[in-house]
Amino acid sequence: QSALTQLASVSASPGQSITISCTGTSSDIGGFDYVSWYQHLPGKAPKLMIYDVRHRPSGVSDRFSGSKSGNTASLTISGLRAEDEADYYCNSYTSSDTEVFGTGTKVTVL
Amino acid sequence: EVRLVESGGGLVQPGGSLRLSCAASGFSFNNYWMNWVRQTPGEGLVWVSRINSDGSSITYADSVKGRFTISRDNAKNTLYLQMNSLRAEDSALYYCGRVGYCSNKSCRGMDVWGQGTTVTVSS
Repeated sequence: QSALTQLASVSASPGQSITISCTGTSSDIGGFDYVSWYQHLPGKAPKLMIYDVRHRPSGVSDRFSGSKSGNTASLTISGLRAEDEADYYCNSYTSSDTEVFGTGTKVTVL
Repeated sequence: EVRLVESGGGLVQPGGSLRLSCAASGFSFNNYWMNWVRQTPGEGLVWVSRINSDGSSITYADSVKGRFTISRDNAKNTLYLQMNSLRAEDSALYYCGRVGYCSNKSCRGMDVWGQGTTVTVSS
């Protein structure tokens, strides 16, 4: 079970939009619409931002949106704010009936 | 308040055993699937194991299969992870998480997490 591939870091200025990509295979991302995204701040528990590719849990800002094309899932953060600075991890269900996380992307707000 | 509290972490020698617990409160524990996830500085978040609501369906990551056992006691609202034959690479912060969204006989998305318990495997 290899981790899904994410860019190590992304940075942008407040107000800008960024897109974080997560690449897997046809056995995970490409095979199921079961991709989740988590925001992780140091010393805190991870927070679910998106589930089932594009669905936002109650209370999550609509500045966060998810999508998928083929074996790649994406998380877009629009109107970037200082409080969005965190590590973001994707997660997918797999054909082995397991789950796999991405390598994580550190988002820096300049 | 919906809450998960992990306990049982600590320092253990290679080859040793440890049992983690995750106490749930504020929701109907017996209705939810649960996951264990671990975090290391080098690897980030790593999925470890999942158990369905009545304990009849269990899966493990390859890295822990045969060494770790997930279980639950719905009467006690508690999730467990029995870890045997521990290795240095099992050292991590271990989180339990509630799987919040279900459809088509499948559940996804960990919407509630504990604060984690630290396991250190070292001689």
